[in-house]
Amino acid sequence: DGGITQSPKYLFRKEGQNVTLSCEQNLNHDAMYWYRQDPGQGLRLIYYSQIVNDFQKGDIAEGYSVSREKKESFPLTVTSAQKNPTAFYLCASSNLGSFYGYTFGSGTRLTVV
Amino acid sequence: KNEVEQSPQNLTAQEGEFITINCSYSVGISALHWLQQHPGGGIVSLFMLSSGKKKHGRLIATINIQEKHSSLHITASHPRDSAVYICAVPNFGNEKLTFGTGTRLTIIP
Repeated sequence: DGGITQSPKYLFRKEGQNVTLSCEQNLNHDAMYWYRQDPGQGLRLIYYSQIVNDFQKGDIAEGYSVSREKKESFPLTVTSAQKNPTAFYLCASSNLGSFYGYTFGSGTRLTVV
Repeated sequence: KNEVEQSPQNLTAQEGEFITINCSYSVGISALHWLQQHPGGGIVSLFMLSSGKKKHGRLIATINIQEKHSSLHITASHPRDSAVYICAVPNFGNEKLTFGTGTRLTIIP
């Protein structure tokens, strides 16, 4: 079945370490997104990509980096510059130019200690 | 950017009750998402609607484009309906979404 796979589900890291979250989709979607979710807040957009080798900053990109070397993959790196990295991270994908088919992954809960 | 407000923030009800969750947005849109987030965190798309009403099982979603308002109803609620329900609307001209803060629904047996 087509879908989005995020791994790992839970991730623990020490403060000051970079960590990379994986997101893979087999839906042949052009666009991919990374969102962050904090308690009591709506999902906020970190980065998005509409085509391979191109990506744009979202509303809260500081302290994060991404790459889009393949259509299927959009990994997110949480760098040591991110001041409050502990959060739930969701990856999503969609067809370009269409609001339909927006699909979410199951998320990664990152805890920095 | 579209602003999205959901109400109530938390809702606790007895099994079998009729549930209504509301979503209002500030800028006219072409369509709106209703999403369900289970305790494990994964999000599932329930509905995407651009007008009128859609029904799937015990779930009904309505939207009034003129009033910039949508509702999600659950009939004959069940404990397995306990989840966070989120509405999301597009930002004009792109596929990026703005999300409400969600309604945490708890159904007590």
